[in-house]
Amino acid sequence: NAGVTQTPKFQVLKTGQSMTLQCAQDMNHEYMSWYRQDPGMGLRLIHYSVGAGITDQGEVPNGYNVSRSTTEDFPLRLLSAAPSQTSVYFCASSRGQFNEKLFFGSGTQLSVL
Amino acid sequence: GQQVMQIPQYQHVQEGEDFTTYCNSSTTLSNIQWYKQRPGGHPVFLIQLVKSGEVKKQKRLTFQFGEAKKNSSLHITATQTTDVGTYFCAGGGGYQKVTFGTGTKLQVIP
Repeated sequence: NAGVTQTPKFQVLKTGQSMTLQCAQDMNHEYMSWYRQDPGMGLRLIHYSVGAGITDQGEVPNGYNVSRSTTEDFPLRLLSAAPSQTSVYFCASSRGQFNEKLFFGSGTQLSVL
Repeated sequence: GQQVMQIPQYQHVQEGEDFTTYCNSSTTLSNIQWYKQRPGGHPVFLIQLVKSGEVKKQKRLTFQFGEAKKNSSLHITATQTTDVGTYFCAGGGGYQKVTFGTGTKLQVIP
């Protein structure tokens, strides 16, 4: 069991470039989510999914797209990167939707110049 | 929307001293979870509290959930250098729209 796998670990982009952050879990978890972590602001929810084919917005969704075509994968797309998106991104999953502990990936450190 | 505040933001303690972090929500929570993030690492689940007034212990760590289910605390007795990291509370509001607190960064001085 690898748990939650995120790639890449580090990425540097120029303003306006696009990229996809990959997230995969092998625990057959129903729920998956993306967070960004900025100093002094904790973890803020970007998008989440309660199952294949179902996604919804979190607290800070602007500038990000997601899709969930399979139970295992939940990629996060930045269509046109901006310096404000410089952050550490974490993917997390849980078995169900309610009162379930989150399992986090190891994170992606993204810098947008 | 739901807001979860944590205090203090930073805490430096001598090894062996006690440490407490407090978590306060603007709304009633269905549950509270606590996570620990080591420097350079990812958050790792510690515990979940669901019932009003609930108290749970894990060795030197004591977790409490307030009677009104709007606040919580984590107390570490006799800190060790292995306790270094950032501690987050996370409030559940249903449908796993979990709102994380701002975190308390603990530094333990040997």
